[in-house]
Amino acid sequence: ETGVTQTPRHLVMGMTNKKSLKCEQHLGHNAMYWYKQSAKKPLELMFVYNFKEQTENNSVPSRFSPECPNSSHLFLHLHTLQPEDSALYLCASSLTASRTEAFFGQGTRLTVV
Amino acid sequence: GDSVTQMEGPVTLSEEAFLTINCTYTATGYPSLFWYVQYPGEGLQLLLKATKADDKGSNKGFEATYRKETTSFHLEKGSVQVSDSAVYFCALLYTGTASKLTFGTGTRLQVTL
Repeated sequence: ETGVTQTPRHLVMGMTNKKSLKCEQHLGHNAMYWYKQSAKKPLELMFVYNFKEQTENNSVPSRFSPECPNSSHLFLHLHTLQPEDSALYLCASSLTASRTEAFFGQGTRLTVV
Repeated sequence: GDSVTQMEGPVTLSEEAFLTINCTYTATGYPSLFWYVQYPGEGLQLLLKATKADDKGSNKGFEATYRKETTSFHLEKGSVQVSDSAVYFCALLYTGTASKLTFGTGTRLQVTL
């Protein structure tokens, strides 16, 4: 248990569906992250939020839409995805975005059919 | 730019064998260095870290020493167990206003009886 909880753990969705991934942290951290982990590729940082403000978007397609209503919660809204978007999506948090290591959730395994 | 290079896997060892997973980095300054571990079906867990040259991080029998002269942070364990089977990621982090973790591609370790 790392203090970062992601739901759901597994998700199968069609290309026309809309779904959301949820992340919650109980560590008192102020920075939260979305990463994408695909087979045989390095971890890709997607988004960074620091004190609820988005500070980084690594050229992520608009079919991925993040939302950070407060420092403890982070969402990733998905719509009109492609099969190549199938991956493990990992949420992480850290004390702030400018220092200290990140703590990861268990991930959501997404399959787009 | 900053980068982390890990040895290609998979690494297959018998139980109680000695483990080394090589990690070298390229960076313009003096980052903090980390090893994360990902067990099957799980997210990443911080295994150990070192924040300055010659620091040794250790946890659960694993060790890694921050070598500035060789820009390396090799992971070692004297006697591996089947339960150590996982994917190991080396990562670096600069602390600062635009900091983010940079990960290697991961090295899969398989330990057999």
